[in-house]
Amino acid sequence: DAKTTQPPSMDCAEGRAANLPCNHSTISGNEYVYWYRQIHSQGPQYIIHGLKNNETNEMASLIITEDRKSSTLILPHATLRDTAVYYCIVRVANNAGNMLTFGGGTRLMVKP
Amino acid sequence: DTGVSQNPRHKITKRGQNVTFRCDPISEHNRLYWYRQTLGQGPEFLTYFQNEAQLEKSRLLSDRFSAERPKGSFSTLEIQRTEQGDSAMYLCASSLDGPATTEAFFGQGTRLTVV
Repeated sequence: DAKTTQPPSMDCAEGRAANLPCNHSTISGNEYVYWYRQIHSQGPQYIIHGLKNNETNEMASLIITEDRKSSTLILPHATLRDTAVYYCIVRVANNAGNMLTFGGGTRLMVKP
Repeated sequence: DTGVSQNPRHKITKRGQNVTFRCDPISEHNRLYWYRQTLGQGPEFLTYFQNEAQLEKSRLLSDRFSAERPKGSFSTLEIQRTEQGDSAMYLCASSLDGPATTEAFFGQGTRLTVV
């Protein structure tokens, strides 16, 4: 699975959009981009995934560049409860299961 | 269904003792995963079951570690002769069968402290 690079930490003001970048310059054509987050003392939580098109769900939007070498997770109106570590993961979509390779993630601090 | 359940939530044990953790996945999920997470790091994959069959084991899973899923429902992770380096959060996740785009649901983990 391709390696990802994320900033170790970011701050965001409550109510503003949080834009979390991820670099995956070695991504292959059959690899998806996934985002999970982990709130303190809880297990990771799935947020969103995509292949090459931008995706949106009730939690977030995922913007993938045309060359697929980077992506941005957008939380449109961050709240204090969005304070968490956000993990960007790249992996092949096959039937081999959810054996996810987590990196260090980005620690997002949402401030009032 | 209340999601993936792990017990106990916390375990303190003396070095050299054996410990066993339990994971109850979401009922219709036939895939179950164990991960380990040390302080300040992301989770690391340990092993994976499809129904009762253990299909993948990480090299992190030393001989002292054993996982079972006897009836394809709940799973146990046993650590024998615990060492201080085993102190970590042990996370269980489950998912439906299908491609890897199927999301994994994680439990809240069991925090092990070896003293």
